Amino acid sequence: SQKIEQNSEALNIQEGKTATLTCNYTNYSPAYLQWYRQDPGRGPVFLLLIRENEKEKRKERLKVTFDTTLKQSLFHITASQPADSATYLCARGGYSTLTFGKGTMLLVSP
Amino acid sequence: DVKVTQSSRYLVKRTGEKVFLECVQDMDHENMFWYRQDPGLGLRLIYFSYDVKMKEKGDIPEGYSVSREKKERFSLILESASTNQTSMYLCASSPTGQERFFGPGTRLTVL
Repeated sequence: SQKIEQNSEALNIQEGKTATLTCNYTNYSPAYLQWYRQDPGRGPVFLLLIRENEKEKRKERLKVTFDTTLKQSLFHITASQPADSATYLCARGGYSTLTFGKGTMLLVSP
Repeated sequence: DVKVTQSSRYLVKRTGEKVFLECVQDMDHENMFWYRQDPGLGLRLIYFSYDVKMKEKGDIPEGYSVSREKKERFSLILESASTNQTSMYLCASSPTGQERFFGPGTRLTVL
């Protein structure tokens, strides 16, 4: 089966620092990886999609990388703010087979 | 902006009841999905639909059925609710089958 793993421990950082979250996958590289944000009691919100042939993608303060050698995606939030505190989900795969990680909670302290 | 709405935010039902969860999207997306999310298990796909009247089983379809009579509406049915179906239910739509646009979720408790 196609697994996707995220660090289950919460990441605590200070406001203004860069947060880096990790997503590791097994077996073959997916065609793309996706990142979502989820606030408590709410549905996930789509943030970014990065394709296999894209090494890096940016959107405002967000940056995602895709390393097929390491079988890993990194998700960065620069100049983090308390409002960035949430759980971030990584997902791999295609149409019906989109597999989500369990998410990493990010806590940004003022 | 894509808007996906779900009929209830919170729902309490009794064991054995038939439960209907409704989902409506306003962006004319072909693809719609039902997930459940449980602590420690993450998001799991129950059913999906890529067109009106079409449906496909996901990873955990047992105990559920779906209906898609109109493009914008995708319903999840619990034929006879059981306590192990207590969960957060999330509907999503997608224009391409790639990114998912989720609704706010329905927290269902079965007593």
